Amino acid sequence: ETGVTQTPRHLVMGMTNKKSLKCEQHLGHNAMYWYKQSAKKPLELMFVYNFKEQTENNSVPSRFSPECPNSSHLFLHLHTLQPEDSALYLCASSQGQLEAFFGQGTRLTVV
Amino acid sequence: AQTVTQSQPEMSVQEAETVTLSCTYDTSESDYYLFWYKQPPSRQMILVIRQEAYKQQNATENRFSVNFQKAAKSFSLKISDSQLGDAAMYFCAYRSYGGSQGNLIFGKGTKLSVKP
Repeated sequence: ETGVTQTPRHLVMGMTNKKSLKCEQHLGHNAMYWYKQSAKKPLELMFVYNFKEQTENNSVPSRFSPECPNSSHLFLHLHTLQPEDSALYLCASSQGQLEAFFGQGTRLTVV
Repeated sequence: AQTVTQSQPEMSVQEAETVTLSCTYDTSESDYYLFWYKQPPSRQMILVIRQEAYKQQNATENRFSVNFQKAAKSFSLKISDSQLGDAAMYFCAYRSYGGSQGNLIFGKGTKLSVKP
């Protein structure tokens, strides 16, 4: 069982829909991240939370809205997405400067 | 800004043989971490090995070892006695030391195939 769990694993949504991605970590880490992985591109950091506070927003469009209610849970709320937003969305957590642990990702398709 | 370059989009190795994946990076910092991550078809990114820049000794984890050349800003991964389960995407990553905890910068990855 992974220490970082993401749901759902797959999501298909229309451009007018609203959906949310969920991430939960059971590792006691103090930092959580959202990454976007598109084909043939490096992983792109989207958001960082440290102790529930957002510390980085990497110029992400406002149609992506993160929420971190506590150190163990992270959400990514999606609305009015575009087809180019289709990608694998990875959640990760870490403790201090150590390596990040990743979930299995949500494969998002926007139609 | 830091960048990470993986110049080999795809590599192939025969089972039980050795393969080396290349990674170079660009930074003006003197302290940092370097990582190799593996992403199998299951999609989960798994840490393979970590290297602290202040350590001269190359990191080793079982069949995986690195060749860290700080002056050349090179960080290659050697996989010995390759196994079918090693087939995956491999990503090289850089993290600043003491900076933003979000600064984990990835290369584009190398797809490794293992032939039986």
